[in-house]
Amino acid sequence: KQEVTQIPAALSVPEGENLVLNCSFTDSAIYNLQWFRQDPGKGLTSLLLIQSSQREQTSGRLNASLDKSSGRSTLYIAASQPGDSATYLCAGRDNYGQNFVFGPGTRLSVLP
Amino acid sequence: EPEVTQTPSHQVTQMGQEVILRCVPISNHLYFYWYRQILGQKVEFLVSFYNNEISEKSEIFDDQFSVERPDGSNFTLKIRSTKLEDSAMYFCASSDVRAAGTGGEQYFGPGTRLTVT
Repeated sequence: KQEVTQIPAALSVPEGENLVLNCSFTDSAIYNLQWFRQDPGKGLTSLLLIQSSQREQTSGRLNASLDKSSGRSTLYIAASQPGDSATYLCAGRDNYGQNFVFGPGTRLSVLP
Repeated sequence: EPEVTQTPSHQVTQMGQEVILRCVPISNHLYFYWYRQILGQKVEFLVSFYNNEISEKSEIFDDQFSVERPDGSNFTLKIRSTKLEDSAMYFCASSDVRAAGTGGEQYFGPGTRLTVT
C-alpha cells in the first residue's frame, strides 16, 4: 500500500530565497505524482503533475522532479514570495488503483 | 477557466441525519472523485466514479456512503446517517482521463465543510 511522507512539516524562509520541498513514497510502482497548494480553509490547487515516464515538470517559478528508484519527488520554488505561503501537498498514484495517496503537507511561510 | 464547483460551502447537521453534498465537475471530464480531510489530518480518498458506476472505493466508504450522478452535470455524495466523526472537509475532484493515463490531472473543488453536532 502506497504511503507518502513529506519533510519538513513546516518551513519558514525570507522572501527571495529558493527552496526545496521533499516528498517520499514507499512504492516505486508509482504511476504519477501531483503537487498541490492548499491555502488555509480552502481547496486544493493543482500545481504540477509528473507522469512516471517523466523526470521533471516546470511551471513558472516551480519545478518538480520525480525519482522513482529512490522514491522521492521534490518541488523547487525559485525566488519565493509572501504569496507562496501555503501548505504544499504531494499525492502519488500507483499502478494498482485510481486514487491519489496524499502526504501530510509542508506548511510554508515566506516572510516579507 | 473551467473549474469544479461544490455546494454548499458549509453544512451543519445533527448526528443521525442524512446529508447530500453536491459537486459540478468540469464539463468534459469523465472521472469523478470524492476525498475528505478531517481537520489537521491528511486528505483521504473516498471513492472514484466512472461510466455511472463506482470504480474504486476506500475502507472509509462504507454502507453509509453513496454516490450518484443524477444528471449530466451533478455528482453527489450522500451520507445516510451522519456520525460525529464524519465532520470534515469534503472535496470533489474530476479528471478528463483515468488518473493513470496521459494527462489525468485531478482538479479539485473548493470543498464543503461538514459539521456534525
